[in-house]
This record gives sequence, C-alpha cells and structure tokens, in this order.
Amino acid sequence: AQSVTQPDIHITVSEGASLELRCNYSYGATPYLFWYVQSPGQGLQLLLKYFSGDTLVQGIKGFEAEFKRSQSSFNLRKPSVHWSDAAEYFCAVWPGGGADGLTFGKGTHLIIQP
Amino acid sequence: NAGVTQTPKFQVLKTGQSMTLQCAQDMNHNSMYWYRQDPGMGLRLIYYSASEGTTDKGEVPNGYNVSRLNKREFSLRLESAAPSQTSVYFCASSRQSSGANVLTFGAGSRLTVL
Repeated sequence: AQSVTQPDIHITVSEGASLELRCNYSYGATPYLFWYVQSPGQGLQLLLKYFSGDTLVQGIKGFEAEFKRSQSSFNLRKPSVHWSDAAEYFCAVWPGGGADGLTFGKGTHLIIQP
Repeated sequence: NAGVTQTPKFQVLKTGQSMTLQCAQDMNHNSMYWYRQDPGMGLRLIYYSASEGTTDKGEVPNGYNVSRLNKREFSLRLESAAPSQTSVYFCASSRQSSGANVLTFGAGSRLTVL
C-alpha cells in the first residue's frame, strides 16, 4: 500500500527566511502528489498538485514543490516565509484508479519566529 | 459558493450515545469522503463514496456507518460513541480532475466523547 512520510513533525523558521518541507512517498509507480495547508481551527486548503509534466510546480501563496522520481520525494519550498504561513502542512498521495481518496502524511507543524 | 458544509461544528457526547455528522456539497461533485484527524496521525480515511448510491470502507471504518443520501449529502453516523472516537472529522468532496481527485474539504467537526 502507498504511504507518505513527512520526516519533520515541527519546523521553526524565522520570518523572511526560506523554507523547505520534506515529503517522501512509497509507491511503485508515479502517483499524483499534493500539498495541503491547514491553518489553526480551519479545514485543509490545496496549495499545489503534481500530476505529470514539469517536475517543478507552482502553487498559491508563493509556494512551489519539486517532484524527484529518483528520490521518491515531493518537497515544498518557499523563498521567504511570512508570519501568516504558520500552519500545519500535509503532503498527500493518490495512486490513481478509482476514487478511493488520498493518503496523507502525518503533517509538519510550521512555526514562524519574528 | 458554500463548497463543503459540515454540521455540527462542535459536539460533546457521552460514551454509548449516538450521533450523525452531516455533510453537504454544492459543487456537483461525484465523490465524497469522511476523514478523521488525530494529533500526530495526520488524516485517515474512514469511508468514501465514489458516486451516489455507493459507499466503501477506508482505513479506519470500525464504529462508523455512512449514508450517501443523494449526490449532495454524505452523513457519518456513530451508533455507540467511544472515547477513542474523540477527534476532528472532515468531510471532503471531489470531481475527478485530469484523472486525479483534488479534494475540497469542509471546515471540520470537533467531537468529544466523555
């Protein structure tokens, strides 16, 4: 079965610094990949997705992610974080086929230091 | 557009009580899902419905039942609540996009079982 690993439970970054959140997946073929963000007390919002084509994808709020097949990774990046980026970030995988939902990682909690 | 609407937002139950979480979407999506979110566990799929009239078990279905009432509505029922079902529950829906399912989430329902 497919799985998603987010190695970092918590990450603290200074405002204005760059950010990289790691995501690794375990699946035989190239899955469909997603990053979602959850602000405190809110639902999940889609940041970006990768289905095929260009391995560097752009999302909302200035985020981007790069798919690396050789490393089974889909890391999320942002050049300069803002205090409003403090949230929980989830990487997710959908293997294709039927509509049987996404498999989520356990999340990375991002803390922004002033 | 309201998107995905969940009710209630908060609920406290005693062990053994029953309740139903309601979910409705106004995006004409075919597929709907129920997830639960627990600290350090990410989101886990409880049940999903690929289309009106069909439902299937996800990763953690025990103790729950679902009903896909029509294309818009997908309810989650706890027949005899247990403290282990204390969680935040998210409903989501999707319309297949480029062969993959981009999920739109509701704001969540926080359930506490005493």
